[in-house]
Amino acid sequence: GDSVTQMEGPVTLSEEAFLTINCTYTATGYPSLFWYVQYPGEGLQLLLKATKADDKGSNKGFEATYRKETTSFHLEKGSVQVSDSAVYFCALINTNAGKSTFGDGTTLTVKP
Amino acid sequence: EAGVAQSPRYKIIEKRQSVAFWCNPISGHATLYWYQQILGQGPKLLIQFQNNGVVDDSQLPKDRFSAERLKGVDSTLKIQPAKLEDSAVYLCASSLGSPLRTDTQYFGPGTRLTVL
Repeated sequence: GDSVTQMEGPVTLSEEAFLTINCTYTATGYPSLFWYVQYPGEGLQLLLKATKADDKGSNKGFEATYRKETTSFHLEKGSVQVSDSAVYFCALINTNAGKSTFGDGTTLTVKP
Repeated sequence: EAGVAQSPRYKIIEKRQSVAFWCNPISGHATLYWYQQILGQGPKLLIQFQNNGVVDDSQLPKDRFSAERLKGVDSTLKIQPAKLEDSAVYLCASSLGSPLRTDTQYFGPGTRLTVL
C-alpha cells in the first residue's frame, strides 16, 4: 500500500534559521502531494500542495517541490519565525483510488 | 463560511461501552472523511463518503466501527464496543468535489476519545 515517511522530530531552530523537513513516499500511479500544518490548539490545515512531477507548492514562505525521481516532497523555509512552531504533516492522495495517506508528523519549535 | 463542526470535543468511556461522534461538513462539500489519529501518529483514513455513498472503507474495523452519512450531509461514526486501543482523536474532514480531484480537505477540531 501507499506510505509516507517524514523525518523524525522534534526539530528545534532559532528564529531566522533555514528549515528543511524531509518527506518521501511510496505510491502506485501518480499521487498528489500535500503538506498540512497543525498549530497549537488548532485543527489541521492545508499549507501547500503539488499535483504533478516538478510542480512547486508554496505558501507563507514555505516551499516544496514534487520530485518523482527521488519520490520526495521536502518542505523548506528560508527564515523561520516563532509563529511557525507547529506540527507539520506530509500527505499524499492516490489519484487512482482517491485515498489519503499521512506521515506521522514532525514537530517544529522555533525559539526567539 | 462556517468550518467543519464536530461534537463532542471530548469523550471518556469505559471499555466495552459504545460511543458516537457527529460531524457537520462545510455546506456544499460532496466528500466527507473520517480519520483516526493516535497520539504521536498521523491521521489514518477510516472511511470516506461521496455524497451519501461509501467510496473507501478498507481501513474501518467493521466488527466494531460503523459510519453513515444520511442525506449526504451530516455523518456519524460509532464504535461498539470500544477497546482501549481506540483511544485517539477522531477527525472529520470535507472537500468540495470527488476525492479523485484532490481538492483541499478542510478538517474539523476533532473529538478526543479516551477509553479506560
